[in-house]
Amino acid sequence: GENVEQHPSTLSVQEGDSAVIKCTYSDSASNYFPWYKQELGKKPQLIIDIRSNVGEKKDQRIAVTLNKTAKHFSLHITETQPEDSAVYFCAAFHNFGNEKLTFGTGTRLTIIP
Amino acid sequence: DADVTQTPRNRITKTGKRIMLECSQTKGHDRMYWYRQDPGLGLRLIYYSFDVKDINKGEISDGYSVSRQAQAKFSLSLESAIPNQTALYFCATSDLTSGGGGDTQYFGPGTRLTVL
Repeated sequence: GENVEQHPSTLSVQEGDSAVIKCTYSDSASNYFPWYKQELGKKPQLIIDIRSNVGEKKDQRIAVTLNKTAKHFSLHITETQPEDSAVYFCAAFHNFGNEKLTFGTGTRLTIIP
Repeated sequence: DADVTQTPRNRITKTGKRIMLECSQTKGHDRMYWYRQDPGLGLRLIYYSFDVKDINKGEISDGYSVSRQAQAKFSLSLESAIPNQTALYFCATSDLTSGGGGDTQYFGPGTRLTVL
């Protein structure tokens, strides 16, 4: 089955700096890669996703990049703000047979004011 | 948003007790999931259901069972709770998008279960 590895497990950055979280996946058939944000005491919520037919997607201060050859994808947050502090999860999915998301183990991002 | 609800939100129980966690959704989605969240281990899939007659085991189904009573309801049971089942449990729904993949999941607020 699919295996998703996520690094780092914790990350602290100064407010205004950029943060990068990286994930690798094992199943080359995976074709959809979402990122979820979980604030303290809250439920995970989708913040951005990318499909395998594109290499990069941006939404304001958040971007995701995908390298299918290397089987890795990354979340980039620019101009970080205190409200970006949360746990971030990557995930991988393919809709051929094993149609379920496999999540990474999460990254706790702390923005230092 | 209250599209996916879970009851109870918190539960403390004793070893050996039977526990049921309930999930209801008003999103009209066919797919429903139960996840367990432990610190440092992320979200691990317990069971999932693609429609009322379809139930599938996830990666950590031992010690758990589920029931899909209707499209909108998916319950998780611990037949005989043990302390290492202490965790945060999330229900989620999805509606597989058409046109080439993608499965956005919508999570409930979670149930914090403590087994003493």
